[in-house]
Amino acid sequence: TQLLEQSPQFLSIQEGENLTVYCNSSSVFSSLQWYRQEPGEGPVLLVTVVTGGEVKKLKRLTFQFGDARKDSSLHITAAQPGDTGLYLCAGRSGNQFYFGTGTSLTVIP
Amino acid sequence: NAGVMQNPRHLVRRRGQEARLRCSPMKGHSHVYWYRQLPEEGLKFMVYLQKENIIDESGMPKERFSAEFPKEGPSILRIQQVVRGDSAAYFCASSNRQGAYEQYFGPGTRLTVT
Repeated sequence: TQLLEQSPQFLSIQEGENLTVYCNSSSVFSSLQWYRQEPGEGPVLLVTVVTGGEVKKLKRLTFQFGDARKDSSLHITAAQPGDTGLYLCAGRSGNQFYFGTGTSLTVIP
Repeated sequence: NAGVMQNPRHLVRRRGQEARLRCSPMKGHSHVYWYRQLPEEGLKFMVYLQKENIIDESGMPKERFSAEFPKEGPSILRIQQVVRGDSAAYFCASSNRQGAYEQYFGPGTRLTVT
């Protein structure tokens, strides 16, 4: 089993603050995805990173894939209440996608 | 709506009954993945199918669970003789080819076994 560990598990911050969520593994992945999931819904794909060292920006969200393609980070600038949700990373290896256990983010107005 | 569709959204079954969960992939997608999500746990891979083929079922429990993706119609995840431990959210995701970097999820089916 290829494990993806996410940290922190829970995060509660004030609106306007910055935060970083981490996704770490001892395994190499051909690609890594970040999703956001809201209660009662399926995960929604935010971004896919493929190349080691790759950085992608999506408005206030910045995603980075580690040089060795084993880890990734998600940085949110000036968090808003609408960013509240469960953030999941997933790494692809072979036919399978392996998911982390998620970071539950709450942004307090 | 061209997104991944799952039905039913909620399913209640008594112990020993059968549960059938359906997934229609995104338009143009011919690859389907099934996952199970338990409270406080992450998404666990169950099975990966292409139309009329099971590509990888290494995450499927050996008994009571089966999946198919026929040439016509939705993919079906079937759980026979359900037990309380089967209560979970079941998600399917689709992609457009084997080896695709991305998959897109449906809204899930929440199975409750009473």
